[in-house]
Amino acid sequence: QVQLVQSGGEVKKPGASVKVSCKASGYTFSSYGISWVRQAPGQGLEWMGWISTDNGNTNYAQKFPGRVTMTTDISTSTAYMELRSLRSDDTAMYYCTRGGRDGYNFWYWGQGTLVTVSS
Amino acid sequence: QSALTQPASVSGSPGQSITISCTGTSSDVGGHKHVSWYQQHPGKAPKLMIFDVSDRPSGVSNRFSGSKSGNTASLTISGLQAEDEADYYCSSYSSSTTLYVFGTGTKVTVL
Repeated sequence: QVQLVQSGGEVKKPGASVKVSCKASGYTFSSYGISWVRQAPGQGLEWMGWISTDNGNTNYAQKFPGRVTMTTDISTSTAYMELRSLRSDDTAMYYCTRGGRDGYNFWYWGQGTLVTVSS
Repeated sequence: QSALTQPASVSGSPGQSITISCTGTSSDVGGHKHVSWYQQHPGKAPKLMIFDVSDRPSGVSNRFSGSKSGNTASLTISGLQAEDEADYYCSSYSSSTTLYVFGTGTKVTVL
């Protein structure tokens, strides 16, 4: 069965960076892209971007100009999301997700990684 | 890219039917078939309930159905049950610079 297992929660100071991992299993990693979605406390879902696990192509939401980088390591079936210059409003639960057979929509979700930004 | 518009809350009694709307633009909801709905219980990751406007993943109750008219998609929950109390989000693929956009979210309360 498809599983996405994310790294543990992080506490960071403003201005720091965080790198969240998402280890996939149960399918061929390079066949499906990975999207990252975040949710601030008590708020809605926000799409952050997508990475092709086949060729590394990315598409980032305009809200994070130059602050986000998504990468993958095919050898370990792991996707990464790095967010830099953290601010207090980056405090959120971060989810990795995978699409369906056609790659669209968000069929499978990681358990989430809580990133807290606080001085 | 603005979020899709959903009502903040919808409520109904057990056994009743409720409908949640999701309004976007011709660049997202109105222009693509990849409109989906997610259920989220407190402290849990979202769960896909409807994909491609009206299709249900295996294992999702047929009490959940989706539709679309123009720039507005809808999720209907029939035979409302206590376990349906949760937050619901729509999402759409978009032909703007942002690949996907989510709705503002709707809290469903079972009275």
